[in-house]
Amino acid sequence: NAGVTQTPKFRVLKTGQSMTLLCAQDMNHEYMYWYRQDPGMGLRLIHYSVGEGTTAKGEVPDGYNVSRLKKQNFLLGLESAAPSQTSVYFCASSYSTVKGGLSLGELFFGEGSRLTVL
Amino acid sequence: RKEVEQDPGPFNVPEGATVAFNCTYSNSASQSFFWYRQDCRKEPKLLMSVYSSGNEDGRFTAQLNRASQYISLLIRDSKLSDSATYLCVVNRDNTGKLIFGQGTTLQVKP
Repeated sequence: NAGVTQTPKFRVLKTGQSMTLLCAQDMNHEYMYWYRQDPGMGLRLIHYSVGEGTTAKGEVPDGYNVSRLKKQNFLLGLESAAPSQTSVYFCASSYSTVKGGLSLGELFFGEGSRLTVL
Repeated sequence: RKEVEQDPGPFNVPEGATVAFNCTYSNSASQSFFWYRQDCRKEPKLLMSVYSSGNEDGRFTAQLNRASQYISLLIRDSKLSDSATYLCVVNRDNTGKLIFGQGTTLQVKP
């Protein structure tokens, strides 16, 4: 019953270091998302993907890159981490169409990854 | 201006009270609307979808007003366990781009 799994759950980086967050889902969902959540800001969409091999920019894409080489995985990369990227990162996935009573918008989230950049 | 806006609160209400939250969205092409619930330091979870005709799920009622571009969530007979942050979510253009409001915090007190 894995659902959406994010790794790592915690990470501390120094400014300028790079890292990759991995999101894996076992529900055969077409859509996958990366959000960041900061106090008072709610969840802000970084990048999303509507299918294997495709990605698109969200609200706050600068400083991040993503890849969706396999349907079940969505990777979020920080090439040169900055203190402003200190946040909680959530990955989510969803169906693309109405299916079995579910519709686009029913997101299944991972437990979050807490990233601190010093 | 944010595309999806909510009053962050906090809303402090006694048990048994009725409380209502509103959420406004700026893109008139938005197609689908949802309310999510997020407990402290946890991931958000779907509370309910919002349909044009309005919909009810137990003590929770969601309404959509397309003309004024807002959605609402009404909670009746509040329970202590309703204390959480409620997030409004809008699916713009059915493109898969799901935008969250900043959330409204509810604290139900005994």
